[in-house]
Amino acid sequence: EPEVTQTPSHQVTQMGQEVILRCVPISNHLYFYWYRQILGQKVEFLVSFYNNEISEKSEIFDDQFSVERPDGSNFTLKIRSTKLEDSAMYFCASSEFQRGGTDTQYFGPGTRLTVL
Amino acid sequence: AQKVTQAQTEISVVEKEDVTLDCVYETRDTTYYLFWYKQPPSGELVFLIRRNSFDEQNEISGRYSWNFQKSTSSFNFTITASQVVDSAVYFCALSEAGGSYIPTFGRGTSLIVHP
Repeated sequence: EPEVTQTPSHQVTQMGQEVILRCVPISNHLYFYWYRQILGQKVEFLVSFYNNEISEKSEIFDDQFSVERPDGSNFTLKIRSTKLEDSAMYFCASSEFQRGGTDTQYFGPGTRLTVL
Repeated sequence: AQKVTQAQTEISVVEKEDVTLDCVYETRDTTYYLFWYKQPPSGELVFLIRRNSFDEQNEISGRYSWNFQKSTSSFNFTITASQVVDSAVYFCALSEAGGSYIPTFGRGTSLIVHP
């Protein structure tokens, strides 16, 4: 069964460093998303991406964040200058058709980001 | 604005007990979608079910069943004859067709099933 994959599973970085989290969505899916989950809290939407551009973003997704689809398979989330409060689990998701509401989002296993 | 409330923070049961996880939602849209996801201790989010607002039929999948009641804005999830492997955090989520479609998640209910 096709699945969303994410690398790395765990990333440790120093405050102020740039990190890139990688995702490979399900191959025939057209919509891609990033979410984060601070430890013990609920899952929060960051950004959605369709047709090589951002379609929605939340207040959390400020200028420190960017997303990119550098090739036909990868979807990346970059945090330019990490802060302690960026420590969280980051989930990538993809859906086949419409913007997640009319079609199910399938989530990757997550990348745990620890900022020291 | 859409909102999802999972009032039960943690539930602890003994194996083979039935358990119901509550989910209450708020929306102004007439067309919306409700989801349940499971997050086992390993951390991934596993899709369990999607239900649209026009389909109030209850659904059963093995030991899992869902009770959708628009009159009370609830979408509750029941696990029958719980097993240790059911131990996880369960999230209910809502997305609105008239809005951005982006799901809003509840805070999750941690289910602990003891042997």
